[in-house]
Amino acid sequence: EVHLVESGGGLVQPGGSLRLSCAASGFTFSTYSMTWVRQAPGKGLEWISYISSGSTTIYYADSVKGRFAISRDNAGSSLFLQMDNLRAEDTAVYYCARGFSTSSVTPLLYWGQGSRVTVSS
Amino acid sequence: EIVLTQSPGTLSLSPGERATLSCRASQSLTSSYLAWYQQRPGQAPRLLIYGASSRATGIPDRFSGGGSGTDFTLTINRLEPEDSAMYYCQQYGSSPLTFGGGTKVEIK
Repeated sequence: EVHLVESGGGLVQPGGSLRLSCAASGFTFSTYSMTWVRQAPGKGLEWISYISSGSTTIYYADSVKGRFAISRDNAGSSLFLQMDNLRAEDTAVYYCARGFSTSSVTPLLYWGQGSRVTVSS
Repeated sequence: EIVLTQSPGTLSLSPGERATLSCRASQSLTSSYLAWYQQRPGQAPRLLIYGASSRATGIPDRFSGGGSGTDFTLTINRLEPEDSAMYYCQQYGSSPLTFGGGTKVEIK
């Protein structure tokens, strides 16, 4: 059974940093691209970053480009999101998600439970 | 960036009725790479439909998707209380992947 478990969220001051982790199990992590999606309180879903299975292709939403960095450790079956220069508008629940298939063009079938990030002084 | 516009914002229907949700894209979607997700309060999203009309594993056949190009629909037949949720469409054919703003389905 596929499991995705996020960790690393919490309260941080504006301008601060956090590193989110997503521990994956139940599938061959190294063969799937991975995605981060966030949801601000009371708002809709926002895609923020994608990384291909071998880390050769990476995309970011404009809202986080230059401040966030996605990475992965295939040997350890983990996905990461380094978040720097955090702003109040980055306050959200952050989900890691895996695609339906190993294709680079795939909807998101498996989701973690989310990690809450609050940016406030 | 492909903008997805969902309508209506809220649907309030009775059990047994049919819900029709709309998702309109700002440009034609490549190969109908359009998905629908259900999100209940406090839960992660759940994939319902992909490729505009294919149901994900375990999704009841009361849920159906249709459309192509720029206009897509999600239909929920014979509404049940458990269908009360937010529904989001998503295009996954081009970066940045984008979601619609969502439609809230309320069961009276």
